[in-house]
Amino acid sequence: QVQLQESGPGLVKPSETLSLTCTVSGGSISSYYWSWIRQPPGKGLEWIGYIYYSGSTNYNPSLKSRVTISVDTSKNQFSLKLSSVTAADTAVYYCARDRVGYGSGSYMDVWGKGTTVTVSS
Amino acid sequence: DIQMTQSPSTLSASVGDRVTITCRASQSISSWLAWYQQKPGKAPKLLIYKASSLESGVPSRFSGSGSGTEFTLTISSLQPDDFATYYCQQYNSYPFTFGPGTKVDIK
Repeated sequence: QVQLQESGPGLVKPSETLSLTCTVSGGSISSYYWSWIRQPPGKGLEWIGYIYYSGSTNYNPSLKSRVTISVDTSKNQFSLKLSSVTAADTAVYYCARDRVGYGSGSYMDVWGKGTTVTVSS
Repeated sequence: DIQMTQSPSTLSASVGDRVTITCRASQSISSWLAWYQQKPGKAPKLLIYKASSLESGVPSRFSGSGSGTEFTLTISSLQPDDFATYYCQQYNSYPFTFGPGTKVDIK
């Protein structure tokens, strides 16, 4: 059974870069899309973007200028970098496996437990 | 971006009640809609995809319907484990967007 685990610093200073990694266990990262989603405290869900195992990406335009998602198939991991962070980027960050609908985009069928990132000096 | 709305924002119900949550899209998304359940401090869990397809392992009391711009999630007989927040998500077009959520709490 595939499991995902987020890891990375829980505290990031304003203007710095948030870096998180998602490790996939119990299955291969190949042949799937992998997403990052975030949830500010007490608020709803925001899709950040996804990456295909081959390296192709699609980002939310609202974050596109600051986001980079990458994949390391040898480690069965994918990563998120979000630059120039502010307090508004404080959130629980989830990684997830995507299931692609035929002729459509994707939804998330396996989620990590999430990791809280606080942006503060 | 496609805007998703949900109603009600909060729903108070009792065990055994039939519960219906509505999700609306700002433009047609065909049947490209998923529903998730989220409990406090936990990750969302996929319940329904393609508007009405039940995810494996999800109890049959959950069902989804709709197409175009209006969708519903129905819980036929609310169980204690169902008190949670429910989100819809469109995956018709980028960026994928979620509704604001509907919290189902105990009456």
